[in-house]
Amino acid sequence: NAGVTQTPKFQVLKTGQSMTLQCAQDMNHNSMYWYRQDPGMGLRLIYYSASEGTTDKGEVPNGYNVSRLNKREFSLRLESAAPSQTSVYFCASSALGPDDYTFGSGTRLTVV
Amino acid sequence: DQQVKQNSPSLSVQEGRISILNCDYTNSMFDYFLWYKKYPAEGPTFLISISSIKDKNEDGRFTVFLNKSAKHLSLHIVPSQPGDSAVYFCAAGNAGNNRKLIWGLGTSLAVNP
Repeated sequence: NAGVTQTPKFQVLKTGQSMTLQCAQDMNHNSMYWYRQDPGMGLRLIYYSASEGTTDKGEVPNGYNVSRLNKREFSLRLESAAPSQTSVYFCASSALGPDDYTFGSGTRLTVV
Repeated sequence: DQQVKQNSPSLSVQEGRISILNCDYTNSMFDYFLWYKKYPAEGPTFLISISSIKDKNEDGRFTVFLNKSAKHLSLHIVPSQPGDSAVYFCAAGNAGNNRKLIWGLGTSLAVNP
């Protein structure tokens, strides 16, 4: 099925460990996004990529890096995980803007 | 400081009745508003949007109303169906910078048969 695929779906990390969250879309969308969702907070934009080869910071970029590997793939890296990064992470893509966002099903990350 | 507020964490309605979900915003620069729906273990999906030049937008059973003077918008679902049970997020942005949406906390809607 066409859409946005995120891997892994669940992950537990120890403080200080690193990991990369993967995201791929097969809709030929130009723009891709990484959000986090925390209890008591709305979805918050971490980083986005308006087009292949460009990335920009969102509201909460500290502690994260991203790579727009190609048009399909946009990865999010945690270099040294902290408990404050425990969250559900959503990747999204769009062709035109926020009313055609397609979200992945999320990655639930726990940092202990 | 939340710029987009959904003050009702949950709402329960009977099947066939109207569901009204509310959203308030504080930033007068917002000119584009969206509603997304989310089922458990899935990502949000786009439902309906409205720009600030309109006060109403309708799509089937879903209508969004915008009151700019009150900085308030609402989503009406008529008639409500059990399959509408989900979390509904309000989001706002500026059409010139529409990648940076500000999201509300969501309202969990339960439609009872």
